[in-house]
Amino acid sequence: EVQLVESGGVLVHPGGSLRLSCVASGFAFSRTAITWVRQAPGKGLEWVASISGSGGTIYYADSVKGRFAISRDNSKNTLYLQMSSLRAEDTAVYYCAKARRILPPGYFDFWGRGSLVTVSS
Amino acid sequence: DIQMTQSPPTLSASVGDRVTITCRASQSVVTWLAWYQQKPGKAPKLLIYKASALEDGVPSRFSGSGSGTEFTLTISSLQPDDFATYYCQQYHTGETFGQGTKLEIK
Repeated sequence: EVQLVESGGVLVHPGGSLRLSCVASGFAFSRTAITWVRQAPGKGLEWVASISGSGGTIYYADSVKGRFAISRDNSKNTLYLQMSSLRAEDTAVYYCAKARRILPPGYFDFWGRGSLVTVSS
Repeated sequence: DIQMTQSPPTLSASVGDRVTITCRASQSVVTWLAWYQQKPGKAPKLLIYKASALEDGVPSRFSGSGSGTEFTLTISSLQPDDFATYYCQQYHTGETFGQGTKLEIK
C-alpha cells in the first residue's frame, strides 16, 4: 500500500525557518519524482518544488526560489523541504505527492494528507 | 510560465445532471494535462491524466477531452459524492494548477 506521511508543520514567526519531512512507503521511492504542493487556507493548489528520483533534477516555483530547498534521502525513503525566510503568505497545508515517473514534470497519482505551516507573529 | 485558467469558478448542479468544466492553457500543453478532485479537508485525488486517460478505480461517468490549449472534464450523471472542487494541472513545462472549480449542489 502506497503511503506518504508529512510532518514538521508548526507555527513559526515571520523570517523563521522550518523543515518538513515526507516519509514514503509502498513504492520504488528512488525511481519516483516527488513534489511539494501547498494550499493556503480557502485557496487553490500551488506547486512549490519537484525533485527527480535521483535528486539530480530540481525545480522551484518563483514564489519560493532562493528561500526553500527540496531534497531527498533515498536510503530513508524520505523527502524534505527546508523553508527559510518564511512569510505570512507561506501559510498553507503542504502536501507531498508522488509522480508516476522518475523525472519531473508529471502528474501526481498519490498524495499525503498534508502538514499545516502557519507563519504568524 | 504556463498559466491555467478554469471556468466556471463555481458551478451549481443537481444529482443526475451532466456537467462540464473547462481548462484553458496560456500556451499549448499538447495532452499533458491532469484533473483532480478535492473534498474539504482531504488531499486531492487523481481522476484523469494525459487529458483523457481515466485513472484506475475512477468511475466511468468522469471523462476528459481536449488538446493544445483547451480541455474539458465532463461528469455524465452527477452523483452525491461528486460535489467537490476540481483542479486541472499541466505538466508539459513545469507543473501548474488551475485555480479550481467548486461544484455545488443546486
